[in-house]
Formats: sequence, C-alpha cells, structure tokens
Amino acid sequence: AQKVTQAQTEISVVEKEDVTLDCVYETRDTTYYLFWYKQPPSGELVFLIRRNSFDEQNEISGRYSWNFQKSTSSFNFTITASQVVDSAVYFCALSEPYNTDKLIFGTGTRLQVFP
Amino acid sequence: DARVTQTPRDKVTEMGQEVTMRCQPILGHNTVFWYRQTMKQGLELLAYFRNRAPLDDSGMPKDRFSAEMPDATLATLKIQPSEPRDSAVYFCASSSGQGATYNEQFFGPGTRLTVL
Repeated sequence: AQKVTQAQTEISVVEKEDVTLDCVYETRDTTYYLFWYKQPPSGELVFLIRRNSFDEQNEISGRYSWNFQKSTSSFNFTITASQVVDSAVYFCALSEPYNTDKLIFGTGTRLQVFP
Repeated sequence: DARVTQTPRDKVTEMGQEVTMRCQPILGHNTVFWYRQTMKQGLELLAYFRNRAPLDDSGMPKDRFSAEMPDATLATLKIQPSEPRDSAVYFCASSSGQGATYNEQFFGPGTRLTVL
C-alpha cells in the first residue's frame, strides 16, 4: 500500500532560521511522482514542486530546496532563511503509478515562523 | 488570473439537510477533483472527473454523497442527508491532465461545511 508520512506535526522557528520538513513515503512501485504543496492561512493549496521517481537530482528554487533520496524513501523540503510569510501547513504527496491524478497526501506539517 | 472558484465558502446546516457545493474549474481544464480535509483524516480524494465523465469515486460514501458535472464549467458535490461527521473543508481542484503525465492541480479556496 502507498503511504506518506510527515512525522513533524508542527514546527516553530524564528525568522531567518533554516528549517527542514521531513517526508517519508512507501510504495512498491518503481514509477511514481512526489509533490509538495503549501496551504497558507487563506486555505488554498498551492503547488510547489513535482519530482518523478527517476530524477534524484536535488532542486533549488530561491530559498526553497528539496532533497530526494530513494535509498531512504525520503523527499525532504528545506526553507533557508525562513520568513513570516512561510508560515503555512506543508503537505507532501505521492501519486499512484501511471495515474498521476490520484495523490495520496501526508498529514501535513504546520510551520510557524515568528518575527 | 485564472482560479478555481467554489461556493459557498462557508455553510452551516443542520443534520439531515441537503447540502450542495459548487465548483467552477479553470476555463479549459478538463479534469476536476473533489477533496475533503479533516483534522482526523487529512486530505482525501473523494472523486474526480475527466471531460465531465466520472473516473473514480471510490473515496466517496455512496449512500449520501453524489458528484456531477452538469457542464464543463460546473461541478457539484451533494450530500443528502448531511451528518455531523461530514463537517470538513471540501476542496475542488482542476487540471488539464491526462493522467499518464502530470499536470498541476489548481485548488479552489474550499467550502467549510459545519453540520450541527
């Protein structure tokens, strides 16, 4: 069965600190996609990144970076120099193989960045 | 700025009443999803449509929930009769995906449903 685990329920940091959100997934499939979504206080989920199972290159986008390691089934998300606007709930998700429509979401990590 | 719109944004109703939630997908998107978010279960996919045809509704309680797409610009999720355990935030999302390759899902703001 497929599963996504976000063990950190809530993280609090002070502005400018770096923070890493953990995501561990389980799947028996060799082809799959991994995602991160952000849910700010307004409620809408915002797509951040997609990574397919054959691409283990880490990705950096501004202050955001993602570390995909198949050996440990992890897809961690790091925010460098966090800002108050980063406060949100962050979801990691896994797609079914050959059907990227169906996403299985983790339970989310609430990040609070204090000034 | 294309967005998914959902109405109503908030709904409070009494147990046993019918509830209808509406979603307008982004123009041109052919795939529409309904999700439910609760503290206990997190985000769950209830059902989704492609080109107005239901592809999967396995996540939806069939006895009281129904989802339809009367036309390409409107998706509805109906609960009849509603129960307190249906209290949740219901999200609609749309994409231009075909399934085999991923196309980003754009989420609406959600409908917060409270059943008393």
